[in-house]
Amino acid sequence: SQQGEEDPQALSIQEGENATMNCSYKTSINNLQWYRQNSGRGLVHLILIRSNEREKHSGRLRVTLDTSKKSSSLLITASRAADTASYFCATDGETSGSRLTFGEGTQLTVNP
Amino acid sequence: DGGITQSPKYLFRKEGQNVTLSCEQNLNHDAMYWYRQDPGQGLRLIYYSQIVNDFQKGDIAEGYSVSREKKESFPLTVTSAQKNPTAFYLCASTGLIWGGYTFGSGTRLTVV
Repeated sequence: SQQGEEDPQALSIQEGENATMNCSYKTSINNLQWYRQNSGRGLVHLILIRSNEREKHSGRLRVTLDTSKKSSSLLITASRAADTASYFCATDGETSGSRLTFGEGTQLTVNP
Repeated sequence: DGGITQSPKYLFRKEGQNVTLSCEQNLNHDAMYWYRQDPGQGLRLIYYSQIVNDFQKGDIAEGYSVSREKKESFPLTVTSAQKNPTAFYLCASTGLIWGGYTFGSGTRLTVV
């Protein structure tokens, strides 16, 4: 079964607005990561948050992690048309070593 | 530049044929992974290798085979036993410390 599940499946916003995507998972994790995928391309690593961290920032990205609720959110502030992509969360479980399990992704469309 | 290279970008397979997808990395990463992505879906793990001459099945290994004779290379063979091979295949690698994956740009395989 999928470890990570993103919500919403699709999100459409205007340029300049903030975009929030959520991820839920089922088992205990070592860390949670967010990736971005432009259409027909490979995934690009955005940010990693460890299980003992609650919030992390990188540029316009803010990630939160709530291990009690087994959930994470990715906030993209002041969105741009170039942010249009699919965003995936991925987790590595405490017993899964380095292998990651990916959710099904959120398709973000930022309209100019 | 360090990176991970997948080839070919597009591949067409006839029914009953085996085809091999190439994945090469010059990042000195120990672990390498193969994922399959179907349209509008997340990534599913096919095989992974954490060290040369060793590999493990992922969640959907049936109909696929791999080898890891060199640290830099992790080719994936899609055999005729894979009944629905049309998909986007992504190779990734990671070092032991950082945890984030570096992805190749993918191979799109189509059965004709």
